[in-house]
Amino acid sequence: EVQLVESGGGLVQPGGSLRLSCAASGFTFSSYWMHWVRQAPGKGLVWVSRINSDGSSTSYADSVKGRFTISRDNAKNTLYLQMNSLRAEDTAVYYCARDSGGGNSDFDYWGQGTLVTVSS
Amino acid sequence: SYVLTQPPSVSVAPGKTARITCGGNNIGSKSVHWYQQKPGQAPVLVIYYDSDRPSGIPERFSGSNSGNTATLTISRVEAGDEADYYCQVWDSSSDHYVVFGGGTKLTVL
Repeated sequence: EVQLVESGGGLVQPGGSLRLSCAASGFTFSSYWMHWVRQAPGKGLVWVSRINSDGSSTSYADSVKGRFTISRDNAKNTLYLQMNSLRAEDTAVYYCARDSGGGNSDFDYWGQGTLVTVSS
Repeated sequence: SYVLTQPPSVSVAPGKTARITCGGNNIGSKSVHWYQQKPGQAPVLVIYYDSDRPSGIPERFSGSNSGNTATLTISRVEAGDEADYYCQVWDSSSDHYVVFGGGTKLTVL
């Protein structure tokens, strides 16, 4: 059974940092592109970042470019999102999601999400 | 950047057919994916590549895509279908690469 389990969310002050993790199991993690998608309270889904299967290629939404870094450790079957210079508008539930194809396909599995709250 | 437009809400009586639209410039030339999200839960893929259905998704869910509109159709609507539905495309010309519609709240009357 495919499972994605996020962790690392919490309350952080504006300007602070946080690292999210997404532990994957039930599939060959190293074969799949992975994404982070966020959802502000009461709002819709917004794509944040993606990484290819071996970690050599990454992409970011403009809103997080230069502040967030996506990475992965295929030996540990874990996806990461390092978030720096956090702003109030980064407050959201952050989901990791598996890309079913080559980085531009559907998201066939999602984690349960981890809440990040940026507030003083 | 590419924009996907969904109606904020759609209401339907049980047993009837719900149609949720997703508008975008020449969206028919793109592959559209649909997600269902119930309160407090993660999104679930219900339709991929315009009209394919993942295993475990009822046949009542179907999709189509042509011109400037993609449509998610839910036949014989049940109370358990009440949820938010999001369309999604990949847009290589967009800064965001992955674009989601704003979401549609399906209410079962």
